[in-house]
Amino acid sequence: KQEVTQIPAALSVPEGENLVLNCSFTDSAIYNLQWFRQDPGKGLTSLLLIQSSQREQTSGRLNASLDKSSGRSTLYIAASQPGDSATYLCAVKAERSGAGSYQLTFGKGTKLSVIP
Amino acid sequence: DAMVIQNPRYQVTQFGKPVTLSCSQTLNHNVMYWYQQKSSQAPKLLFHYYDKDFNNEADTPDNFQSRRPNTSFCFLDIRSPGLGDAAMYLCATSRDRSPQETQYFGPGTRLLVL
Repeated sequence: KQEVTQIPAALSVPEGENLVLNCSFTDSAIYNLQWFRQDPGKGLTSLLLIQSSQREQTSGRLNASLDKSSGRSTLYIAASQPGDSATYLCAVKAERSGAGSYQLTFGKGTKLSVIP
Repeated sequence: DAMVIQNPRYQVTQFGKPVTLSCSQTLNHNVMYWYQQKSSQAPKLLFHYYDKDFNNEADTPDNFQSRRPNTSFCFLDIRSPGLGDAAMYLCATSRDRSPQETQYFGPGTRLLVL
């Protein structure tokens, strides 16, 4: 059974700092990995999606990397801003065994606070 | 804008009183999903509809049911809510179940059980 772990559970940094969020997964047979942002009491906003054949994806100040063989991904945020404060979740998509369909398995997220 | 809409955003119910949460979409997607997310936990898939085909997760309690009367709408029914069912309920859609298809999430409904 796929398990996704995110460390740390919470992170507080001063504004302007670069930071890295970590995600690990137990089964490397994934189709893709996605990073989401969740603001308090809100739904999920997709940030970046990395296909299993890719190493990284970039969007603005965000860069996500994927090392499928080691079961790890990182989300790098450059020059952090108070508006980046949110919970960041990673999710892997993998085939359900024998089912021919695909399932997203989420981590619990890392709660980021950027202090002005 | 095409989107996934959930109503209400906040729902308060009493222990044991049936409650229905609503999700609608303007994306014309074939697949609609319901996730439960408890505080500081990962979203957990409850079930999904592929068109009219209902797919329940093995560990979803019988207390949770779903209806999809048409392409646009999907409902989550909790027959007898317990205190442990208090959570954020997230609806998502995707065009189909192909692995390359992204899921689009609604804003969620936060359920409080008194």
